[in-house]
Amino acid sequence: RKEVEQDPGPFNVPEGATVAFNCTYSNSASQSFFWYRQDCRKEPKLLMSVYSSGNEDGRFTAQLNRASQYISLLIRDSKLSDSATYLCVVKGDRGSTLGRLYFGRGTQLTVWP
Amino acid sequence: GEEVAQTPKHLVRGEGQKAKLYCAPIKGHSYVFWYQQVLKNEFKFLISFQNENVFDETGMPKERFSAKCLPNSPCSLEIQATKLEDSAVYFCASSQSIAGGHSSYEQYFGPGTRLTVT
Repeated sequence: RKEVEQDPGPFNVPEGATVAFNCTYSNSASQSFFWYRQDCRKEPKLLMSVYSSGNEDGRFTAQLNRASQYISLLIRDSKLSDSATYLCVVKGDRGSTLGRLYFGRGTQLTVWP
Repeated sequence: GEEVAQTPKHLVRGEGQKAKLYCAPIKGHSYVFWYQQVLKNEFKFLISFQNENVFDETGMPKERFSAKCLPNSPCSLEIQATKLEDSAVYFCASSQSIAGGHSSYEQYFGPGTRLTVT
């Protein structure tokens, strides 16, 4: 079973729409979670960390459900510039895997005018 | 430097040839990670370093892959006798720490090296 499972999409939404991405992780002991954004042929960049209580950064809201081992990202009022692949990431938190990032396959988002 | 630097940007090798990729982490970052991205978004961890010491090499196909981080030199990832399935983008990332608050262990990625094996 993969460490991080993610629906690859694609999601095609109009500008202004609200869109939500989900992922699940397999290691119940995991403590650190992130959403990264990757533009075509570029390096992944940190979009936001995901905290236990949920957190918001402008139009972006991240939620964590530890009981279900489920992470979500909500984007409100989508902009054309939000078009990218969104990667759900879990960090290794113990022993020799400490620091290693486990990536989901990514969810592709296209926002159209 | 303020960014992770990777060279070359593109590398083309015939099957069986050697490939060597370089990474200069952000100054002051103690940890370096190598990831391989094959096709469209399958990231695979290869190896991590704490300064010049290997921290975690469990992702490395050891028969043909090797990596080093020597003092005062860019880190390197070398593939001996490349195979077609080695075609991928190889990303290097660095971080200040791997434990502690979220901000201190953000991994910053370099632009990647695209390796094509023909």
